[in-house]
Amino acid sequence: DAKTTQPPSMDCAEGRAANLPCNHSTISGNEYVYWYRQIHSQGPQYIIHGLKNNETNEMASLIITEDRKSSTLILPHATLRDTAVYYCIVLNYGQNFVFGPGTRLSVLP
Amino acid sequence: DAGITQSPRYKITETGRQVTLMCHQTWSHSYMFWYRQDLGHGLRLIYYSAAADITDKGEVPDGYVVSRSKTENFPLTLESATRSQTSVYFCASSEEVVTEAFFGQGTRLTVV
Repeated sequence: DAKTTQPPSMDCAEGRAANLPCNHSTISGNEYVYWYRQIHSQGPQYIIHGLKNNETNEMASLIITEDRKSSTLILPHATLRDTAVYYCIVLNYGQNFVFGPGTRLSVLP
Repeated sequence: DAGITQSPRYKITETGRQVTLMCHQTWSHSYMFWYRQDLGHGLRLIYYSAAADITDKGEVPDGYVVSRSKTENFPLTLESATRSQTSVYFCASSEEVVTEAFFGQGTRLTVV
C-alpha cells in the first residue's frame, strides 16, 4: 500500500510556482521521500528526493516539514511541459517503489 | 547510446501465446524492475532483480517469468498470455534500491 496521500488533481497557471503537497504521516526515521512524474504515456521520470533536509535541483525544490509528516514539491516556474502526473513515494532500503495514484497537475496557459 | 531501452514498443499477441518483453540498460545498474500500468491501478511491481541471477517477486507476479543472466538485460516473459495481461509495461533500473530509478519508454501489450 502506498504510504502517501496526494490530492488527485491540481491546476497551475503557466509561469507561476506549482506547489504539490504530499502527506506521509506514518513515515519512519529512515524512510526517504521521493518525487517522480509521468508525462502522458512516457515512463516515470525522477525529480528529486530527500530524507530530512530541504533539497533543490535544477528541476524542483523539495520542502519537508520538521516532523517529516508532509512535504511539498515546488516547481518554481511551471511550463506547459510540466503537465503530468506527480507521484510522491516513501521508501527505505530493502523496499521497492510503490506508486499511488499521484496528483495530476495541469499547467494552464 | 547510454540509457534503458525496451523492445518492442508495441505488441499484439493472441491468448495462450508466449511473449517476451526485452529490457536493456547500459549503466551496469545492479537493480532492475518490471512494472505494469493499468487504468485504475497505477504502476504495480511485477518482478525485480538485485543483481545478475537474483530475482524476486513484486506485487503482481502471477503469469510472468523473469531471468537475469546478464546485468544489462532483464527480459519479462508471459508464458501463456491472457487478456488480463493487456497493459503498458515499464522496465526500470537503479544503482541502489533507494537511488534514482530510470524508466524505459514502455511496451504497450495487447492480448486478443
